[in-house]
Amino acid sequence: DAKTTQPPSMDCAEGRAANLPCNHSTISGNEYVYWYRQIHSQGPQYIIHGLKNNETNEMASLIITEDRKSSTLILPHATLRDTAVYYCIVRYPGNTPLVFGKGTRLSVIA
Amino acid sequence: DTGVSQDPRHKITKRGQNVTFRCDPISEHNRLYWYRQTLGQGPEFLTYFQNEAQLEKSRLLSDRFSAERPKGSFSTLEIQRTEQGDSAMYLCASSGLAGANTGELFFGEGSRLTVL
Repeated sequence: DAKTTQPPSMDCAEGRAANLPCNHSTISGNEYVYWYRQIHSQGPQYIIHGLKNNETNEMASLIITEDRKSSTLILPHATLRDTAVYYCIVRYPGNTPLVFGKGTRLSVIA
Repeated sequence: DTGVSQDPRHKITKRGQNVTFRCDPISEHNRLYWYRQTLGQGPEFLTYFQNEAQLEKSRLLSDRFSAERPKGSFSTLEIQRTEQGDSAMYLCASSGLAGANTGELFFGEGSRLTVL
C-alpha cells in the first residue's frame, strides 16, 4: 500500500507556480521521497527525489519539511504541458519497487 | 528512439484467449519492471527482473500470468485464459543499477489490453 497522502486534484493558472503537497507521516529514516508524473496516455516520468535536503533540477523543486513528514513539489512556472497526474512515493533505495498511490491530478488552466 | 518500447500498443481479445506483450528496455539497462494500471488508479507493481533473473513477484501476479526475460534483454508478459478483470494498461519500465538504487525508472507508453 502507498505510504503517502495527496489531494486528488488541483488547479493552477498557466505561468504561476504549482505547489503539490504530499503527506508521508510514517516515513522512516532511510526512505527517500520520489515524485513522478503521468501525462495522459503516457507512462510515468521521473521528476525528482530527495532524502532530507531540498532538491532542485530543471523540472522542479522538492521541499521536504524538517521532520520529513511532508513535502511539496514546486513547478515554478506551470505550462499547459504540465497537466498530468503527479505521484509522490516513499521508498528505500535499492531493490524495493516503486509503489504508486492515486496521485494528484493537476490541471493547468490558460 | 532509445526509450523503452512496448508492443503491441493496443490489444483487444475475447475472454479465455491468451495474450503476450513484449517490452524492449533501454539498451544496457539490467533491471526491467512490469506494472499494471487500471482506470483512475496508479500503476501497480507486478514483477521485476535483474538481467534474466526474476527477483520479485507481486501477489497480483496470479498463476495465469507469466513473465520472462530469457537473455536479459527484452521481456515478455503472457496472460493465459484472459478474464475481463485483466483489462488494463500494462506498463514496462527499465533502469540501470544506479537508476534502480536512486528510484529513477524509465517507463514505456504501455500496452492497453481490452478483454471482451
